[in-house]
Amino acid sequence: AQKITQTQPGMFVQEKEAVTLDCTYDTSDPSYGLFWYKQPSSGEMIFLIYQGSYDQQNATEGRYSLNFQKARKSANLVISASQLGDSAMYFCAMRERLTGGGNKLTFGTGTQLKVEL
Amino acid sequence: DAGVTQSPTHLIKTRGQQVTLRCSPISGHKSVSWYQQVLGQGPQFIFQYYEKEERGRGNFPDRFSARQFPNYSSELNVNALLLGDSALYLCASSLVGPPSNQPQHFGDGTRLSIL
Repeated sequence: AQKITQTQPGMFVQEKEAVTLDCTYDTSDPSYGLFWYKQPSSGEMIFLIYQGSYDQQNATEGRYSLNFQKARKSANLVISASQLGDSAMYFCAMRERLTGGGNKLTFGTGTQLKVEL
Repeated sequence: DAGVTQSPTHLIKTRGQQVTLRCSPISGHKSVSWYQQVLGQGPQFIFQYYEKEERGRGNFPDRFSARQFPNYSSELNVNALLLGDSALYLCASSLVGPPSNQPQHFGDGTRLSIL
């Protein structure tokens, strides 16, 4: 079974600074995808960035970038120039293929990020 | 374009009752998945449907069931509710069917409280 580990329950960062949220994963499937989602206190899950296991370059989306180190099985999220609105829970997730032909996301336990003035 | 819509937003039930949660995917999305998120944890996979067929089921009891309609909307049913079923229920849709690395886009969820 696949596993996602997020070892930082909470992180603080000052506004305009960069922050790295850690994620390590474990899978025996050579084909997988890694996702990061943001969940504000209101509850909705917002897709941020995706990295495929065969992608050669690290994914970037605006202020978000994914530091993908395949050999170390890590997929850390880097947020540059933090803003107060970035305060939220962040989840790392991995796509897992199912025997019925479907796929599911396996989530980590999340990291609560707080951006301070 | 409208995102994934879920109804109701909040729901309060008592133990033993039954509940139906509804989800409309993003227009053009044919795959719908359901997740349960207990307070303080990451979401846990319940079901995935694609083209009206169940394509995956998580480790949940038979009290949980779902279906997908011809318009790709979906319902999640939970029978004989237990206190432990109190959670945020999230629906997600994606553009293409499994297997796929397309992102799943989530709705705002239904917050279910069991008294």
